[in-house]
Amino acid sequence: DIQMTQSPSSLSASVRDRVTITCRASQGIRNDLAWYQQKPGKAPKRLIYDASTLQSGVPSRFSGSGSGTEFTLTISSLQPEDFATYYCLQHSSYPWTFGQGTKVEIK
Amino acid sequence: QVQLVESGGGVVQPGRSLRLSCAGSGFIFSNYVMHWVRQAPGRGLEWVGIISYDGENKYYTDSVKGRFTISRDNSKNTLYLQMNTLRPEDSAVFYCARSVCSAGYCYSFDHLGQGTLVTVSS
Repeated sequence: DIQMTQSPSSLSASVRDRVTITCRASQGIRNDLAWYQQKPGKAPKRLIYDASTLQSGVPSRFSGSGSGTEFTLTISSLQPEDFATYYCLQHSSYPWTFGQGTKVEIK
Repeated sequence: QVQLVESGGGVVQPGRSLRLSCAGSGFIFSNYVMHWVRQAPGRGLEWVGIISYDGENKYYTDSVKGRFTISRDNSKNTLYLQMNTLRPEDSAVFYCARSVCSAGYCYSFDHLGQGTLVTVSS
């Protein structure tokens, strides 16, 4: 199975901060990676697919990059509605696996 | 608009069975492969399994192989998860999700339902 190591597990940031979250795959997964945002009590919502393609309707302050084994999600200017937990997902091979999640909290 | 609505969750004793359903609407159900994803209370997301467009091909995560079965009825736009021999560690919110595959490659899911809670406890 491919292990996805996501870091940090949590972070505190202020509105308008730049935030970067990293996912590392235990083996190469090309660009078969998506990023999801989850707010408490809600279903996850896809932000980025194919490592760097912005989901329709998602603000442009979100961006993704990477290929192979290392990937990043960047929020260029954190907004109040962005405080949530973020997960990466690899869909290169079965079983699909998620990172452990990164909780973004208000400083 | 796309809707995925899960149902069938509840409290069940260890060793018993439960069947979840997921009703899809607002899209052509048979044009999508379907997944189950779960989230234990206070924990992260875990992919459970996938079923192909016609229901012929399925893959599962190791922890549910032999106990869970995914099926679908395209005439009813409904996905199912039959869960047998349930364990306390299966307690979770279960989400259904859709994605597409092409030439053997499957894309990440673009929509998930709101989830249904399963609690396995005596």
